[in-house]
Amino acid sequence: SQQGEEDPQALSIQEGENATMNCSYKTSINNLQWYRQNSGRGLVHLILIRSNEREKHSGRLRVTLDTSKKSSSLLITASRAADTASYFCATDADGYSTLTFGKGTMLLVSP
Amino acid sequence: EAQVTQNPRYLITVTGKKLTVTCSQNMNHEYMSWYRQDPGLGLRQIYYSMNVEVTDKGDVPEGYKVSRKEKRNFPLILESPSPNQTSLYFCASSYVSSNSYEQYFGPGTRLTVT
Repeated sequence: SQQGEEDPQALSIQEGENATMNCSYKTSINNLQWYRQNSGRGLVHLILIRSNEREKHSGRLRVTLDTSKKSSSLLITASRAADTASYFCATDADGYSTLTFGKGTMLLVSP
Repeated sequence: EAQVTQNPRYLITVTGKKLTVTCSQNMNHEYMSWYRQDPGLGLRQIYYSMNVEVTDKGDVPEGYKVSRKEKRNFPLILESPSPNQTSLYFCASSYVSSNSYEQYFGPGTRLTVT
């Protein structure tokens, strides 16, 4: 069952610009995670935000969570060509390890 | 180095010929999972395991089998592959916790069934 839905499906920006991706989900969650996938490769964990947190930072990443709206956003500041990848949100509605992934946002950062 | 390994990385096979994709992790994780990734459909969970000898179905288990005889290994078995199982497969592992932990993914296995 698809829990998270990312928006937009694709995003194209220039190097140095900020990139914002959104994720909406349907049921209550324990936490929400963001992952990155370079073309055809395994997913890599970026950041986890718990349901009692509203904002979290990690380097150039900023994640927000609004549980009342069942939505999250991932902001990548000062984007680089190396940030070109697909980004997925994942939720663990049951409070344990099983994650449900969205379909992803494909980000293209042009030099 | 902490990692999840999968073999083979690429496989082309014919309909009906049984195959196994292996997955191994060296992080002593209790939780392991198999996903398939198809264009436009994102990642869908096939099977998962919370610990040795404990496995459960995910969202798309039809046509697949798994086993968890050892903590580090979680093979995916296709008894009679069909063309609709052509996909990119990922194995992942993590700790089991009510607070949840990040999942570590293998590099993927690209399977083509003709």
